[in-house]
Order: sequence, then C-alpha cells, then structure tokens
Amino acid sequence: KQEVTQIPAALSVPEGENLVLNCSFTDSAIYNLQWFRQDPGKGLTSLLLIQSSQREQTSGRLNASLDKSSGRSTLYIAASQPGDSATYLCAAPNYGGSQGNLIFGKGTKLSVKP
Amino acid sequence: EAGVTQSPTHLIKTRGQQVTLRCSPISGHTSVYWYQQALGLGLQFLLWYDEGEERNRGNFPPRFSGRQFPNYSSELNVNALELEDSALYLCASSFSSDPLNEQFFGPGTRLTVL
Repeated sequence: KQEVTQIPAALSVPEGENLVLNCSFTDSAIYNLQWFRQDPGKGLTSLLLIQSSQREQTSGRLNASLDKSSGRSTLYIAASQPGDSATYLCAAPNYGGSQGNLIFGKGTKLSVKP
Repeated sequence: EAGVTQSPTHLIKTRGQQVTLRCSPISGHTSVYWYQQALGLGLQFLLWYDEGEERNRGNFPPRFSGRQFPNYSSELNVNALELEDSALYLCASSFSSDPLNEQFFGPGTRLTVL
C-alpha cells in the first residue's frame, strides 16, 4: 500500500523567502503525483500534477519536482507571500492507480509572515 | 467551466440519524471519489464510482454507502451516525478511471454530529 509522508508538519517564514516543501512516497510505481492547497475549513485546490514521465512542473511561482527512484517530490515556492499561507498536501495514487483513490500526506501548514 | 459542487455546505445531525451528501462532478467527468477529512486524521478514502458502478471502497463500515446516477452525480449516505463521523466530506471527480487523470475537488460538506 502506498504511504505518503510530508515534512515539515509546519513551517513559518517571512514574506519574500523562497521555500521548499517535501513529500516522500513508498511505492515508486506511481503514475503521477499531485500537490494541493487547502485553506482552513475549505476544499482542496489542485496546484500541480506531475506525471511519472516528467521531472518538473511549473505554475507561476510554484515548481514541483518528482524523483521516482528516491520516492520524493518537492514543491518550491518562490518569493512567498502572506496569501500563500495554507496547508499544502501531496497525494499519490494507491497501488499505482489501480485502486482509484489518492493517498494523502498529512500536509505541511505554511505560515508566511508579513 | 463549473467545478465540482457539493451540497449542503454544512450539516448538523444527532447520533443515530441518517444523512445524505450530494456531489456534482465537472461536466464530462465520469469518475467520482469521496473522502473523509476528520480532525487530526488526514484525508481518508471512502468510495470511488465510475460509470455508475462502485469500483472501490476504503476501510469504512457498511453504514457508509453511496451511488452514482446516470448523469454522473453522486450521493454519499451515512446511516446510524456516530460522533466520530463529524468531519469534512470531500468529493472529487476525474475525466475517467484512467489513473493518469487529475482529480479535482469540491468545497466539501462539513458534517457535525452531536
């Protein structure tokens, strides 16, 4: 069964700082990996989807990388802003996707101080 | 294009009651997934429907059930509510059952069981 771990659990940075969030997964036979943002009490907003054939995916100030061999993905946020404050979740398909569902990490709660 | 919608937004029930949550996927999407996000437990997979059929279910008791309609919308039913069922229930949809497809999430239904 796929297991997903995210570290750190919480992160507080000053505005303008570049930062990296980490995600580890146990089953390297993944089709893709998704990064989400969740604001308190809200649903999930999909940020980036990296297919297994890709190594990186970029959207604005966000860059996600995927290294299947090491079982790791990182989400890089450039020039952080207070509006980036949220919980960031990564998720990988269970059993390579055959089970349909995503397995989520517990998230990294990011706080960007003005 | 409208995203995944869920209703109701909030719900308060008492122990032993029954509840029905509803989800409308993005137009053209055939797969619908249900997840539970209870406080401190992270996101847990409940059910997956595709083309009207239940494809997989998570480790939840049978009092959690659902169905998918011909228009691909879905219902999640929870019978004999217990206090620990209090959670944010999230619905997601994807274009098909292909694990390469991205899952898009709705805003969730907050269920409180008293």
